[in-house]
Formats: sequence, C-alpha cells, structure tokens
Amino acid sequence: AQSVTQLDSQVPVFEEAPVELRCNYSSSVSVYLFWYVQYPNQGLQLLLKYLSGSTLVESINGFEAEFNKSQTSFHLRKPSVHISDTAEYFCAVSDRVEYGNKLVFGAGTILRVKS
Amino acid sequence: DTGVSQNPRHKITKRGQNVTFRCDPISEHNRLYWYRQTLGQGPEFLTYFQNEAQLEKSRLLSDRFSAERPKGSFSTLEIQRTEQGDSAMYLCASSEKATGPFYNSPLHFGNGTRLTVT
Repeated sequence: AQSVTQLDSQVPVFEEAPVELRCNYSSSVSVYLFWYVQYPNQGLQLLLKYLSGSTLVESINGFEAEFNKSQTSFHLRKPSVHISDTAEYFCAVSDRVEYGNKLVFGAGTILRVKS
Repeated sequence: DTGVSQNPRHKITKRGQNVTFRCDPISEHNRLYWYRQTLGQGPEFLTYFQNEAQLEKSRLLSDRFSAERPKGSFSTLEIQRTEQGDSAMYLCASSEKATGPFYNSPLHFGNGTRLTVT
C-alpha cells in the first residue's frame, strides 16, 4: 500500500523568505502526486498536481513542486512566501493501477509565515 | 460550480446516538468520496462511489458506518452507536466523470462536518 511521509510537522519562516516543504512517498510503478492546502477554517484545496510529463509543476500563486522518481520525493517550494501562505499543506499520492483516484495523504505540514 | 456542500458543519452527539451527514457534490461529478480527518493527521479514505455504486470501502469503515448515494447525486454517511473515537472531521470530495478505469482527476473537497462525541 502507498504511504506518504511529510518530514516536518511545522515550518516557521519569515515573510519573503524561501520555503521548502518535504514529501516522500513509498515506491510504486506509477504514481500521481498532489499538494493540497487548507487555509484556517476552510476546506482542502488543490494546489498543484503531477500526473505525467514535465517533472516540475507550478501553481498559480508561485508554488512549485518537482517529482523526483529516484528519490521518491515531491517537495513543495516557494522562493518568497507571504503572510497569506500561512496554512496547512498536505502531500497526497494516488496509485495509478487502482480503480479510481483514492488518495493517500501525509500528516500535513503547518506553514507559519511571520512578519 | 458551487463547490462540494456538506451539512451540518458541526455535530455534537452523545455516545451511543446515531448521526447522519449529507454531502452534495459538484453537479457534473460522478465520483464521490468520504474521508475522515483526525487532529494532527491527514485525511484517511473511507469509501468511494461512482454514480450510485459503492466501489470500495476502507477497513476503517466498521459495521457501524454506512454510506449511500441512492440516485448518484448526493450522499449520506451514517454512524450508528457513536463512540468517542468517532470524533473527527468527516470530509466529502468529488471528482469529474471518469473516462476509463485508470483515469485520475483531482478531488474537490467540501468544508467537512466536524463530529464531536461526548
């Protein structure tokens, strides 16, 4: 069965500093990878996804993640964070060979951006 | 696109009572999922429907839990004889019409129903 490890439960960072949220998944033949974000008092929202093709994927608000098959990683990065990026971020994986797209989530990383 | 709607937002119940939650997915989505999220953890898969057919259930879904999607639109999740360990956020998600068994599309989540069992 798939599993996802988010190595940091909390990441504090100052505004305009770069940030990396780490995610590793258990190996599989093929995977689909996702980052979801949960802002305070809101539901989970898709931030970005890797389905196929280019290993570097970007979101509309400046985040990017790189699929690294050899290291089974899908780390999330942003070169300059804003206060509004404060949220909990969840990495998730879907095993392509399963029917449907049941997701396995990591435990989440709380990003706290300080001024 | 009005998003995935879940009701109620909060439910407080006493141990042993039955509770039912409702989920209205995005209208054109034919897949519907239930997840459970406890404090400090990511969401855990409970069950999944394609149209009205319940295709998969997690081992987390004990006999006290039942989910239905009778007309392939809204879904209900019922918990019978609630226990304190059932306290969690119950999340519903939907995804768009599948074009084949291996098609994957992103899930759209509702804001969840928070259950507290006292």
